[in-house]
Amino acid sequence: DSGVTQTPKHLITATGQRVTLRCSPRSGDLSVYWYQQSLDQGLQFLIQYYNGEERAKGNILERFSAQQFPDLHSELNLSSLELGDSALYFCASQSAGDSPLHFGNGTRLTVT
Amino acid sequence: QKEVEQDPGPLSVPEGAIVSLNCTYSNSAFQYFMWYRQYSRKGPELLMYTYSSGNKEDGRFTAQVDKSSKYISLFIRDSQPSDSATYLCAPNTNAGKSTFGDGTTLTVKP
Repeated sequence: DSGVTQTPKHLITATGQRVTLRCSPRSGDLSVYWYQQSLDQGLQFLIQYYNGEERAKGNILERFSAQQFPDLHSELNLSSLELGDSALYFCASQSAGDSPLHFGNGTRLTVT
Repeated sequence: QKEVEQDPGPLSVPEGAIVSLNCTYSNSAFQYFMWYRQYSRKGPELLMYTYSSGNKEDGRFTAQVDKSSKYISLFIRDSQPSDSATYLCAPNTNAGKSTFGDGTTLTVKP
């Protein structure tokens, strides 16, 4: 168990809808990362937050946004969903810049 | 060109074989090197972590880093069916950003 909790585990929704994915980092970790993994694809970095502030941005679509709250949990919001947004979305937390990432088990999003 | 290139695989070996998984990278700012293992439909889990050139051994696993040639390897000795997974190399800068390879899927056949 990595200590990183993601909810929900599965999400099925229709095109055009909006969903929110939630992540609780390991106790004490200030950094949260979001990654997207499409079928048979690598991990694509979306965005990083550190102690409530956006630290780095990857290839995140404008339809996607994220935030980190004072209790350090993070939410990834996906709107105007398209079929191509179907993927596994992973959250990872990190204690310090030179530390490895600890991943949750992901949210599997299916857009129909 | 991607910052991290990983041997694409898939790789299929018999049980007991020695497995070599390889990555190259282009960014000289990478200082820390991780290998993650990802089982199907699960989150990646840290397997090995090293920050210097040379070898680091942990049980049946050995991580090798050559910073001069920007080459990273993971060796698995006496491979087991339970080692069947996707392996991701992930070099990391001091700023904490990991860049992941696309992964090599390994199948170890009994």
